Amino acid sequence: DQQVKQNSPSLSVQEGRISILNCDYTNSMFDYFLWYKKYPAEGPTFLISISSIKDKNEDGRFTVFLNKSAKHLSLHIVPSQPGDSAVYFCAASDPGNTPLVFGKGTRLSVIA
Amino acid sequence: EPEVTQTPSHQVTQMGQEVILRCVPISNHLYFYWYRQILGQKVEFLVSFYNNEISEKSEIFDDQFSVERPDGSNFTLKIRSTKLEDSAMYFCASSEGDRVNEQYFGPGTRLTVT
Repeated sequence: DQQVKQNSPSLSVQEGRISILNCDYTNSMFDYFLWYKKYPAEGPTFLISISSIKDKNEDGRFTVFLNKSAKHLSLHIVPSQPGDSAVYFCAASDPGNTPLVFGKGTRLSVIA
Repeated sequence: EPEVTQTPSHQVTQMGQEVILRCVPISNHLYFYWYRQILGQKVEFLVSFYNNEISEKSEIFDDQFSVERPDGSNFTLKIRSTKLEDSAMYFCASSEGDRVNEQYFGPGTRLTVT
């Protein structure tokens, strides 16, 4: 039962270029979405979030886009830096529940 | 910057033994959570805790699991009789509120059951 799907297990991008990480969800009740970054041997670090009342949220180099009709969200990182190399998790929650439902993650490698 | 801390970083235990994983959430946060990640799988919710009681739990969180906030700062997860399949990274998280509030995660405890 994969309510949150990240279909690309890995992504390689050159330094300075745009990284686009994608996430799809199946539960139409989800109304809050988050992206976390995880380095090896560390816990997930919160990056950016978006509520379902918005379609875009920007914070510095990170922008999250939400397409509710397609049940799709994406994280754009511009410009990508080597320090961005990590596993990125998409997570979602619905109004009745506080637990986050995570995708399996996408490993981003930014090549210098 | 305030952060969630967890101890120990790595715990090795024998099957059938009890383990207690410890967490110190961010001090002004009111909601506390435990998640786990089995190697190669996704992060899964176990339990949430607010106002000194469990607010939600998943089907993973069965009778062998319990949580406690024994004092004003610690938040613990106890596994009464560990099984091999309990081997995983256990993450504690906390948030200021219950909705549209980001959950901040600790570095995790790697539990290895032999």
